[in-house]
Amino acid sequence: AQSVTQLDSQVPVFEEAPVELRCNYSSSVSVYLFWYVQYPNQGLQLLLKYLSGSTLVKGINGFEAEFNKSQTSFHLRKPSVHISDTAEYFCAVSGTSYGKLTFGQGTILTVHP
Amino acid sequence: DAEITQSPRHKITETGRQVTLACHQTWNHNNMFWYRQDLGHGLRLIHYSYGVQDTNKGEVSDGYSVSRSNTEDLPLTLESAASSQTSVYFCASSEASGQGETQYFGPGTRLLVL
Repeated sequence: AQSVTQLDSQVPVFEEAPVELRCNYSSSVSVYLFWYVQYPNQGLQLLLKYLSGSTLVKGINGFEAEFNKSQTSFHLRKPSVHISDTAEYFCAVSGTSYGKLTFGQGTILTVHP
Repeated sequence: DAEITQSPRHKITETGRQVTLACHQTWNHNNMFWYRQDLGHGLRLIHYSYGVQDTNKGEVSDGYSVSRSNTEDLPLTLESAASSQTSVYFCASSEASGQGETQYFGPGTRLLVL
């Protein structure tokens, strides 16, 4: 079985400040890792994903994430956030069952002016 | 442009009624998924399909069913709606080329069961 834990349910931050959203996973097999973003009243869209190779993955809108196998983590970072980054962010893992994703509980990022 | 659509976007129904939520994708993807989103639980998988005539149960499948008669559609049926099924439902699709494929999500259906 696999599972995902997002360590913070809500993260408030001021505009132009850096942010880190934390994600830990557990799995008995090699995994693929994803971050999705959900803007208010919309579906989810992919921010970035790790499949293999470089452990630092760059995504859209200036976000990046680092895969750390020894700590089973895949934390999402952005050096300077904008008001428009206010959304809910989901970490997800696939690996034990073809094509299926297991999602974390989500982290609501609120960027204040 | 390819897309994935869901209808209706909002639905109010009464307990005990049968409800069907539609999902249609023009990506020509073989894989399709239904999730429900509830506060504190993230997204949980209800049912999924790897192709025409294939359906599989997810982690929260009780009270739900799906059928896959063509590549484009995967309707979700609540056989006898319960208040516990009040939720936001998302449909997604992906290519069938292996692990690590991106899932593309619809805009969601907000269902209220009274």
